[in-house]
Amino acid sequence: GAGVSQSPSNKVTEKGKDVELRCDPISGHTALYWYRQSLGQGLEFLIYFQGNSAPDKSGLPSDRFSAERTGGSVSTLTIQRTQQEDSAVYLCASSLSVGTSTEAFFGQGTRLTVV
Amino acid sequence: KQEVTQIPAALSVPEGENLVLNCSFTDSAIYNLQWFRQDPGKGLTSLLLIQSSQREQTSGRLNASLDKSSGRSTLYIAASQPGDSATYLCAVRSDRGSTLGRLYFGRGTQLTVWP
Repeated sequence: GAGVSQSPSNKVTEKGKDVELRCDPISGHTALYWYRQSLGQGLEFLIYFQGNSAPDKSGLPSDRFSAERTGGSVSTLTIQRTQQEDSAVYLCASSLSVGTSTEAFFGQGTRLTVV
Repeated sequence: KQEVTQIPAALSVPEGENLVLNCSFTDSAIYNLQWFRQDPGKGLTSLLLIQSSQREQTSGRLNASLDKSSGRSTLYIAASQPGDSATYLCAVRSDRGSTLGRLYFGRGTQLTVWP
């Protein structure tokens, strides 16, 4: 596609429900990154993928968070049993590959509100 | 562990001024450094990418420099305009084996340019 696409753009969910956030990277990009940004805060690293594997999952805040990537393309970030502190904007980025000097491009984000 | 710091955290200037935003990083094992702009409620827009072997990169009124050995980058904005008002973020891409390709972000400089 023309750019990184994230869906939904907005999600309101009740505390305790599970949510899935989707990221479609730029076609041909093998590296994919997830970050979250709480109100007024900086970007918090969650996880990144090279192809379908995740070299670094250290940023996932708890075992309620998981992410997968299939076919080296679309990625899904799943949050189970959502809590109010999970409310944030979740941003996805992609680049050509991990191990080279390439530019990263971001999607518009998914704004998650847990009520 | 890579740490990225941006100074100042906020800047408010009248239209027409030339500005310098600063970014420093603690680990020089990087592929590149990228400057982004973020408008309120939006994703990140890539402004400039400097490869680790480069000293500077220019795009229009923007000029970014990189001194990899000292762990510093500056973003120079010439003849600022109200439309430049946004948060500016810098990010470095790790070239270190255990975190290869991971992007590390500063917390940003919030710029306001008033007419």
